[in-house]
Amino acid sequence: DSGVTQTPKHLITATGQRVTLRCSPRSGDLSVYWYQQSLDQGLQFLIQYYNGEERAKGNILERFSAQQFPDLHSELNLSSLELGDSALYFCASSATGYEQFFGPGTRLTVL
Amino acid sequence: EDQVTQSPEALRLQEGESSSLNCSYTVSGLRGLFWYRQDPGKGPEFLFTLYSAGEEKEKERLKATLTKKESFLHITAPKPEDSATYLCAVLLNFGNEKLTFGTGTRLTIIP
Repeated sequence: DSGVTQTPKHLITATGQRVTLRCSPRSGDLSVYWYQQSLDQGLQFLIQYYNGEERAKGNILERFSAQQFPDLHSELNLSSLELGDSALYFCASSATGYEQFFGPGTRLTVL
Repeated sequence: EDQVTQSPEALRLQEGESSSLNCSYTVSGLRGLFWYRQDPGKGPEFLFTLYSAGEEKEKERLKATLTKKESFLHITAPKPEDSATYLCAVLLNFGNEKLTFGTGTRLTIIP
């Protein structure tokens, strides 16, 4: 158990819908990272927050957004969902900016 | 372009048969190289961090080594519970703290 929690575990929704994925980092970790893992792309970095501020952006679509709240939990919002957004979404947290500890993931299925 | 390549894609070993997994990288500046283990449908589990060429880290049947161009994950006398996908990732000197992952080696240990 990494200490990072994510909810929900599974999410099934339809194209065009909007969903919110939630992540609670390890106690004391200020950095939160979001990654997407699909079968054909592997693990891809989406976005990083540090102590409530956006720090870095990767290959994140404009339809996706994230935020980190004062209690350091983070949410990833995915809107206008398409079939190709079906994937595992992982959150990771870090205290040092080096080792990142991953949560169990949310499996998103878009039908 | 920064790249991380893992080989082989898949590896089947008999229980007790030692082998090595390779992670080669072409990056502009390496801040750290990380090994993770991932079980199907689960989040990546942190194994090792390597910072500089010549460094080695060990944990149970696993040993990770680093050169200027690649890293090896040596598995000695593996057991069926070592079956998983092993991912390597790099953190670069310049830019943000995103991890760039290889596509992984799927290891199967046959009893």
